[in-house]
Amino acid sequence: VQLLESGGGLVQPGGSLRLSCAASGFTFSSYAMSWVRQAPGKGMEWVSAISGSGAGTYYADSVKGRFTISRDNSRNTLYLQMNSLRAEDTAIYYCAKDLNWLEAFDLWGHGTMVTVSS
Amino acid sequence: QSALTQPASVSGSPGQSITISCTGTSSDVGGYNYVSWYQQHPGKAPKLMIYDVTKRPSGVSNRFSGSKSGNTASLTISGLQAEDEADYYCSAYTSSSTLVFGGGTKLTVL
Repeated sequence: VQLLESGGGLVQPGGSLRLSCAASGFTFSSYAMSWVRQAPGKGMEWVSAISGSGAGTYYADSVKGRFTISRDNSRNTLYLQMNSLRAEDTAIYYCAKDLNWLEAFDLWGHGTMVTVSS
Repeated sequence: QSALTQPASVSGSPGQSITISCTGTSSDVGGYNYVSWYQQHPGKAPKLMIYDVTKRPSGVSNRFSGSKSGNTASLTISGLQAEDEADYYCSAYTSSSTLVFGGGTKLTVL
């Protein structure tokens, strides 16, 4: 049972990046999933969530209109498309499996680092 | 959505008990029983310790317990051990169908 993020890296302000999270060991389509980020030396911030079917999506105000969460249940993969990136988006991005809709995250990936800098 | 309020740091000696508070509003902590607590060791991913205010996931020590009164939730760790030294975060479901975290509390075992 695990989650494995990828796609992080260094990007210039205003640029784009797509993160992926490969899930294994559980019935991926049965669970809502979220992205949570943590800026260096700072606390955690919930970014976005998506329902098991993909029909429902929610975003934090800080990323609304810039980030898009999606999933491919045939590939057991969660995505986060990040556009118009800002310096303040610099963080480790974790994907997390939800017990129920935003009830609690019982499985976390190891995280992928995103650095927005010129 | 403002972050939930946690003390920046708490400390205790081995064997003692400590409590970490998490204060929100009636739109998050006080409005729902979806309060969770996470433990994070340096450089590691968070680990779920308490969910639904009082429930412990399988494998989590019964030294960890949760409670809630009004808009404030609490995590209590009894019989402190050296390995409990970590950062602890609370989170709560909100009336906007979003999630909010606390600012985090650094636990030091003296």
